[in-house]
Amino acid sequence: ILNVEQSPQSLHVQEGDSTNFTCSFPSSNFYALHWYRWETAKSPEALFVMTLNGDEKKKGRISATLNTKEGYSYLYIKGSQPEDSATYLCASIIYSGGGADGLTFGKGTHLIIQP
Amino acid sequence: EADIYQTPRYLVIGTGKKITLECSQTMGHDKMYWYQQDPGMELHLIHYSYGVNSTEKGDLSSESTVSRIRTEHFPLTLESARPSHTSQYLCASSEPQQGLGSEQFFGPGTRLTVL
Repeated sequence: ILNVEQSPQSLHVQEGDSTNFTCSFPSSNFYALHWYRWETAKSPEALFVMTLNGDEKKKGRISATLNTKEGYSYLYIKGSQPEDSATYLCASIIYSGGGADGLTFGKGTHLIIQP
Repeated sequence: EADIYQTPRYLVIGTGKKITLECSQTMGHDKMYWYQQDPGMELHLIHYSYGVNSTEKGDLSSESTVSRIRTEHFPLTLESARPSHTSQYLCASSEPQQGLGSEQFFGPGTRLTVL
């Protein structure tokens, strides 16, 4: 089983500040990298699916970058708001040749926005 | 909002009981997945399916079994529950999308406690 590592494990940020966190993954046989946001008592929701080295995606105040050669992705949140409080999960798909695309998840970064 | 449902949301049951966790989706997705999350740990893929009559084991060994008789339904069964099965179980589905890692839509999860 490959390892996907996320850091930091938890993060307290003042409302209005910007923040970022990291996902690292094995770079060999890379297929795709997913970011999900998981709010308490809700289902995980997809933020981004990234496949190409150098990819940069943006959704509102949230953006992500991908480096498949060195095996890392950054998630950025600009101007944090209380509704951004959630656990942010990163997950990788390694090409296995069999067509399976089950995700391998990291433990997540638990983000708390303080008013 | 994703149309994927799981029942029950919470289940407390005694050792040795047979249990079935239900998962249904109304999006017509062919691919479905079951993930398990132990407290403080990552989500791990335990089962997946490409479509009707297709079931495969995931990365993490599990004593549970699954079936896929209808596209929309992907139940998970434990024949004899044990305390080691205490965990959260999430079901997900995705569109088949050749050459890309499609985002996965998650249900709200079932928290299982085996006494």
